[in-house]
Amino acid sequence: DVKVTQSSRYLVKRTGEKVFLECVQDMDHENMFWYRQDPGLGLRLIYFSYDVKMKEKGDIPEGYSVSREKKERFSLILESASTNQTSMYLCATLARDNPQHFGDGTRLSIL
Amino acid sequence: AQSVTQPDIHITVSEGASLELRCNYSYGATPYLFWYVQSPGQGLQLLLKYFSGDTLVQGIKGFEAEFKRSQSSFNLRKPSVHWSDAAEYFCAVGAREAGTALIFGKGTTLSVSS
Repeated sequence: DVKVTQSSRYLVKRTGEKVFLECVQDMDHENMFWYRQDPGLGLRLIYFSYDVKMKEKGDIPEGYSVSREKKERFSLILESASTNQTSMYLCATLARDNPQHFGDGTRLSIL
Repeated sequence: AQSVTQPDIHITVSEGASLELRCNYSYGATPYLFWYVQSPGQGLQLLLKYFSGDTLVQGIKGFEAEFKRSQSSFNLRKPSVHWSDAAEYFCAVGAREAGTALIFGKGTTLSVSS
């Protein structure tokens, strides 16, 4: 079974802080994704990566950056956290001809 | 534009009754279609997927979905709902090409009444 692990289930940070959300997968999948999920808006793609050191902007990249130094790890970075970034963040992986597999999510609160 | 529409934001079904959740998509390429379920506080779990072949696909937990190309639909069904099925359901569409992210609908929340 594919395992996608997000480092924190719940996280509370203050405005202006630099925040790191970590995601690790154990299946050697090429593609990894970061989404945020908000009530009534569904899942919106922030960034994705199809290989080490490669990244592509999704639909809502503003205020975020990502890092993929190793194939199994994909980090989402909030450069200067703001209250409108309070959300549920979901990491997912994808291999060709296979569905996306999701982590359990990180519920991030920015105070 | 590529999109997924789930017309029903919230549905309430009696336990034991049948269920149908609607999903319509707009996609330029040959679509891969998925249904995911999310219980409160959890990530998304794959219920079923359609890649090609038989247009009626079976999934986990007794769910099935039918792909209708002419209607651009991929509706999810279950003949008899259980209280544990209460959750949020997401329809998604994607392509086969590597690096292609899924496009998700906004979700349908299912409540089950006794």
